[in-house]
Amino acid sequence: GAVVSQHPSWVICKSGTSVKIECRSLDFQATTMFWYRQFPKQSLMLMATSNEGSKATYEQGVEKDKFLINHASLTLSTLTVTSAHPEDSSFYICSARIAGAMMETQYFGPGTRLLVL
Amino acid sequence: DAKTTQPTSMDCAEGRAANLPCNHSTISGNEYVYWYRQIHSQGPQYIIHGLKNNETNEMASLIITEDRKSSTLILPHATLRDTAVYYCIVQEFYGGSQGNLIFGKGTKLSVKP
Repeated sequence: GAVVSQHPSWVICKSGTSVKIECRSLDFQATTMFWYRQFPKQSLMLMATSNEGSKATYEQGVEKDKFLINHASLTLSTLTVTSAHPEDSSFYICSARIAGAMMETQYFGPGTRLLVL
Repeated sequence: DAKTTQPTSMDCAEGRAANLPCNHSTISGNEYVYWYRQIHSQGPQYIIHGLKNNETNEMASLIITEDRKSSTLILPHATLRDTAVYYCIVQEFYGGSQGNLIFGKGTKLSVKP
């Protein structure tokens, strides 16, 4: 299957700082990328969907000004958690797929664990 | 909301087949059945998907009932490394537009020695 990477794999930051997480598709061009969040013992929750060159579409309840998503190229999307607070501590997972006429499989990155102190 | 129902947890003996059921009684004709798994503290891993026919790959087999209201993922010879949460997800594809993957709670499979 296709490979999606994330960087960093974990990050600890102070409350009020901003954190940027990168998501890259290594061996395919991802026209669509997704960001999920997962709290302990819970399932993945979709935060937003982004298409290359377009603004992201955020799920209900996700603050777009707090979670800035940039999908500037076909292999890179970034999620910036602005003014992070302890309640933003979570496991953030990106995902990517190729858009096309056929049903395409979505591949996931290894996740980034964020701890806000 | 997830459109599937799965048992919360299952156990399986190492070396035996693991059969994970999924109910998707409201599935529409445009929706595919996808299976992913998530090993602790990792991102989800794609396993297999199907529309109507049974499917097999190097990881697993997917059996979809004729009415498409349920399916079973089969891991033919479970190993300890197959211990994970398994998610059954229905995803729409219609008119060139693909729906989002919405995760439910999944089934926690524990493979025991």
